[in-house]
Amino acid sequence: SQTIHQWPATLVQPVGSPLSLECTVEGTSNPNLYWYRQAAGRGLQLLFYSIGIDQISSEVPQNLSASRPQDRQFILSSKKLLLSDSGFYLCAWNGLRYGYTFGSGTRLTVV
Amino acid sequence: DAKTTQPPSMDCAEGRAANLPCNHSTISGNEYVYWYRQIHSQGPQYIIHGLKNNETNEMASLIITEDRKSSTLILPHATLRDTAVYYCIVSLHSGNTPLVFGKGTRLSVIA
Repeated sequence: SQTIHQWPATLVQPVGSPLSLECTVEGTSNPNLYWYRQAAGRGLQLLFYSIGIDQISSEVPQNLSASRPQDRQFILSSKKLLLSDSGFYLCAWNGLRYGYTFGSGTRLTVV
Repeated sequence: DAKTTQPPSMDCAEGRAANLPCNHSTISGNEYVYWYRQIHSQGPQYIIHGLKNNETNEMASLIITEDRKSSTLILPHATLRDTAVYYCIVSLHSGNTPLVFGKGTRLSVIA
């Protein structure tokens, strides 16, 4: 079966520290992968999407970056976190027939 | 820019049908209507999608008007667990076109 794993579940990081969030998909090949962010009380904002290894599109210019070193691995990074980076980060993949499947999310608090 | 318009909130009595409207007057001929929901602190969950015809699955029914300018998601017998934010999204049925989430409708099912 197809599953998506996202970790860590929660993270508290100081301002200026680096960030690395990882997402992996199992049970499929060449998935389309997405990173979304949801700030407190706000809607879902698309950050990055990838249709293949090293093929990444950025939707919002900011201090975040994404990489896809392997077919089923999608990583969200930052060199220096800002307070405004706090939020609920969600990874998703596109199963086409059944729509997007989202991971369980990472709740990031920058202090 | 938002392609859909949804009421910000709705209430529904438990056991009754919940009818969630969505306007998408600028929908193009090859765009689908997708519905997702997000329960508090979880990732969005795919519900249903359709192009022209009405659709039904184990979760809900989707009614699309003949001119395709609006649709209604129907939860036939709402339960307390259906309390969530419901998103109506118009998009091409292509993994290369990421879903863009709006603000959705916050449905509160009341006992």
